[in-house]
Amino acid sequence: ETGVTQSPTHLIKTRGQQVTLRCSSQSGHNTVSWYQQALGQGPQFIFQYYREEENGRGNFPPRFSGLQFPNYSSELNVNALELDDSALYLCASSLGLAGTYEQYFGPGTRLTVT
Amino acid sequence: GENVEQHPSTLSVQEGDSAVIKCTYSDSASNYFPWYKQELGKRPQLIIDIRSNVGEKKDQRIAVTLNKTAKHFSLHITETQPEDSAVYFCAARGGSSGTYKYIFGTGTRLKVLA
Repeated sequence: ETGVTQSPTHLIKTRGQQVTLRCSSQSGHNTVSWYQQALGQGPQFIFQYYREEENGRGNFPPRFSGLQFPNYSSELNVNALELDDSALYLCASSLGLAGTYEQYFGPGTRLTVT
Repeated sequence: GENVEQHPSTLSVQEGDSAVIKCTYSDSASNYFPWYKQELGKRPQLIIDIRSNVGEKKDQRIAVTLNKTAKHFSLHITETQPEDSAVYFCAARGGSSGTYKYIFGTGTRLKVLA
């Protein structure tokens, strides 16, 4: 298993609420990417953080926001939850941007919006 | 935008036979191509990867080939075993927009029949 951890494991929220998901990157990794994986689909890139700054974003609305801390752990915040936000949220950590490319996934947070 | 197509969506093989999964990417600036194996309810796990300056890479029963001209890469699994049954995702790491994001294929569900 990788050293990437995520919390919580499962979460149930109501439409319109806000949620914060957390990710601790593997030791030594300074880049964290967040993905949304709907059932039966591949992971969809949400955004990436490198050294505490957002370094790229996928096709997700502004109500998806993030943060990276000095220890390189990261948060994903989703406001005004919609039913379609129900998915597995994965974070992946890697070392640098143009250096070693391998990224390793955490176990994910299963979000259910009712 | 960037896109990765993956085929087939499902693949059934007899134990001991070979399995081949193919992906095509659209971003010519993509320079790194990982393959992930995801078992039910678990995180995607990196199984093999290839960089754009290499045409082929092998690791025991698993190999990946890359054709940059055709923007095509493939995963080959030989002597398949029941424990190879899982969903496999290809991905392309691009950088043409200045962000090093990973675009995933839609996945191939591999069933190895004993």
